[in-house]
Amino acid sequence: DGGITQSPKYLFRKEGQNVTLSCEQNLNHDAMYWYRQDPGQGLRLIYYSQIVNDFQKGDIAEGYSVSREKKESFPLTVTSAQKNPTAFYLCASSPGDTVTGELFFGEGSRLTVL
Amino acid sequence: AQSVTQPDIHITVSEGASLELRCNYSYGATPYLFWYVQSPGQGLQLLLKYFSGDTLVQGIKGFEAEFKRSQSSFNLRKPSVHWSDAAEYFCAVGFLYSSASKIIFGSGTRLSIRP
Repeated sequence: DGGITQSPKYLFRKEGQNVTLSCEQNLNHDAMYWYRQDPGQGLRLIYYSQIVNDFQKGDIAEGYSVSREKKESFPLTVTSAQKNPTAFYLCASSPGDTVTGELFFGEGSRLTVL
Repeated sequence: AQSVTQPDIHITVSEGASLELRCNYSYGATPYLFWYVQSPGQGLQLLLKYFSGDTLVQGIKGFEAEFKRSQSSFNLRKPSVHWSDAAEYFCAVGFLYSSASKIIFGSGTRLSIRP
């Protein structure tokens, strides 16, 4: 089945460690996105990529990094510079323009910093 | 600045009762409007969207939403809720920002269903 796969579903890390969240899609979508979700705050955009080898910062990119070496993959690294990394992270993709296109979401990765 | 407001953090309705979830936006032009639903621990799924034309749009799972330009609102409705509708609902607004496009999500409304 076509869709977006995020892994791992749950992740624990110690302070000072970097961690990478995986996002893979087989929908052949050009655009991919990473959102952070905190209780009562909705979704906030971290990074997005509209084409391979290109990505843009979203509203809360500090402390995060991404790469887009392949169309189907858009991994997110949460670095030790991220001051409050405990959150639910959602990856999404869309066939084209965000404004008019539906976003297809993965099931999310919950990161807890101990 | 552009914004999306969902004024109700949590709503509880009885099974079989009607539902209306509120969404207001702030934007100078007509935006692209969406409603998404999120089950616990899951990603989001699109319920419906409005771009232009008929201001009453139908979506999946029996939901509908009405765009009211004069009130800058896009409220979600369902005539009779089912226990499986318990979830969190997000209103989202898409608009053009400089040469790029952007989408903003509201903070969400959690829906509980009373048996």
